[in-house]
Formats: sequence, structure tokens, C-alpha cells
Amino acid sequence: DTGVSQDPRHKITKRGQNVTFRCDPISEHNRLYWYRQTLGQGPEFLTYFQNEAQLEKSRLLSDRFSAERPKGSFSTLEIQRTEQGDSAMYLCATHSWATGGKGQPQHFGDGTRLSIL
Amino acid sequence: GIQVEQSPPDLILQEGANSTLRCNFSDSVNNLQWFHQNPWGQLINLFYIPSGTKQNGRLSATTVATERYSLLYISSSQTTDSGVYFCAVASLTQGGSEKLVFGKGMKLTVNP
Repeated sequence: DTGVSQDPRHKITKRGQNVTFRCDPISEHNRLYWYRQTLGQGPEFLTYFQNEAQLEKSRLLSDRFSAERPKGSFSTLEIQRTEQGDSAMYLCATHSWATGGKGQPQHFGDGTRLSIL
Repeated sequence: GIQVEQSPPDLILQEGANSTLRCNFSDSVNNLQWFHQNPWGQLINLFYIPSGTKQNGRLSATTVATERYSLLYISSSQTTDSGVYFCAVASLTQGGSEKLVFGKGMKLTVNP
């Protein structure tokens, strides 16, 4: 059973550049979440997918951020025109969900650490 | 939205000591998880415990959902237990998600 996989593990880029992160979920998990964690804080919710549908977005997700989950499998998170304040750990979590089914824990990937120079 | 408070914020122990971490939350939840974040930033699932009691080796957890709190017990602590412990809770949103709301974490340092 492979876990949630995120790529890259680290990304260093200059302010103003675009970056894209990838998350590969555990295969049978239909729900996928993106979180952001800044230094000394707990992770904060960014957005959520059920299969390929993006059903909820946080106010933290400015218009420079976009996320996709084509075909309901892997997901990408893109940040355009990066700013210093985007420096953070970006975490992906997945779990399975079925109506009327028993709740399941979210499993987190190792994250992508983004540093903006 | 749901508020999550963890206490204490920091704890320093000698190896072999026991500790209790507390998580209070402000509303009813259908998901509660305890995590350990290691120095490399990896979030390790410790317990999925929206109610009841579970044990896993030296760790155990209890959630009293009606009173809106959860406790994580660490017995016979080891230096490898050092790191940050997070409590996270979720309730179903209008969008149908179970987005987790995290506490600020508790930094544990276990000295040899």
C-alpha cells in the first residue's frame, strides 16, 4: 500500500515565477485536500476535491492559485507570480468517502517545501 | 468555524517520563485525528479517534465527544518522541468536505 506521494519535495524559486506541485493519492481514495503550513503554525485548509470536482476553496486561495484534479486521480496546485508570503510547506491529504459509509482518517503526503527568494 | 485549542504549548521531559496532551474543540465533530510532525516536516498519523479510546504501544488517546475534548497519553517517553503534536478536527461542511482544522500544536522535547 503506497502512501500519498508529493513532488517535488523542495522548490526554490525567485519571486514572480510560477510553480506547480503534484500530489498522487492513495489509489482508492476519492477525496483529496490541499493544505498550507507556515513556520510555527498548524496546516490550514486550501481546497478540496471529490473525484475530479473541486467542491470547496478557502479564502486563503487567492486568484494566483489554481488546483486541478483531472480524471479524479492525481492533483496539481499551481501558484502564479509567486510572492514572498507564499513560502510555506504545501501538504496534500487524501481519504475515501462513501455516502453512509464509516468515516476514514486523512493520510498526508510528505509535502512540498516552497522557498521564494 | 470550529476552534481548536491545544495545551500545553510546549513540554520538556526527561526520557522515561509520561505526559498528557489535551485538545479542546468548540463544536461537534465527526473526525478527530492526532498527528506527530517530525523534524523533517512529515505528518505521521497517530490516531483517528472521533470518540472512544484507542491504544497503540506506548501511546493512547481518548476522545469525549459530548464534552468536546481529546487527550493523548505518551508513556515512557523516548527521545524519538520529540517533535510537534497536532490535534485536528473536522465536521461536514456545506461543500461536503471534512476539511481538518488544526490546533497550534504542542512542541515536545524529550531529553536523554
